[in-house]
Amino acid sequence: DTAVSQTPKYLVTQMGNDKSIKCEQNLGHDTMYWYKQDSKKFLKIMFSYNNKELIINETVPNRFSPKSPDKAHLNLHINSLELGDSAVYFCASSLRTGANTGELFFGEGSRLTVL
Amino acid sequence: SQQGEEDPQALSIQEGENATMNCSYKTSINNLQWYRQNSGRGLVHLILIRSNEREKHSGRLRVTLDTSKKSSSLLITASRAADTASYFCATPNSGYSTLTFGKGTMLLVSP
Repeated sequence: DTAVSQTPKYLVTQMGNDKSIKCEQNLGHDTMYWYKQDSKKFLKIMFSYNNKELIINETVPNRFSPKSPDKAHLNLHINSLELGDSAVYFCASSLRTGANTGELFFGEGSRLTVL
Repeated sequence: SQQGEEDPQALSIQEGENATMNCSYKTSINNLQWYRQNSGRGLVHLILIRSNEREKHSGRLRVTLDTSKKSSSLLITASRAADTASYFCATPNSGYSTLTFGKGTMLLVSP
């Protein structure tokens, strides 16, 4: 059983298109995250949700819209894709947030290529 | 904003040798974590060290933390080709609501 699963693993699309990446965790965790990893492997937090509520939105363009239908799912929708959006997007979860945020569990990543 | 910085950026060693990676961070923390990322895969948690701990071991891994210098090191002893991966340190952000990752050290272990 995969703890944090995200789909699709690969996504190739044209500039201007809209795409979504889905994430599900079966760990019973309260908190979920989206990170973006660029070509130099730098990981940057994008969003964090705790029990379906947004708690972090790190200066991400509003073309990116996360949606959490329940605490086990955090999807990422991207409108009007740009070349600079090409990256690997990682979903992660943790048992809780706050000062006791412990280990993060990561999905395998979704590689987005915008042509 | 970026919190941790790993050093070196890349490290190439032979199997059986030890590998040491360093991490420096900027603000006060309550814990520091190390993660491994194999090529094309997600990050995997290796070890967490709390701010009141100075050293922690897990198998062939040894982590130290010096809060006065705001630095940590990860030592992998008797390295194996399977240890080839990127290694990241991570610290809580200022609001303690998530982890901020460094740029990573790419470790290559040759047979």
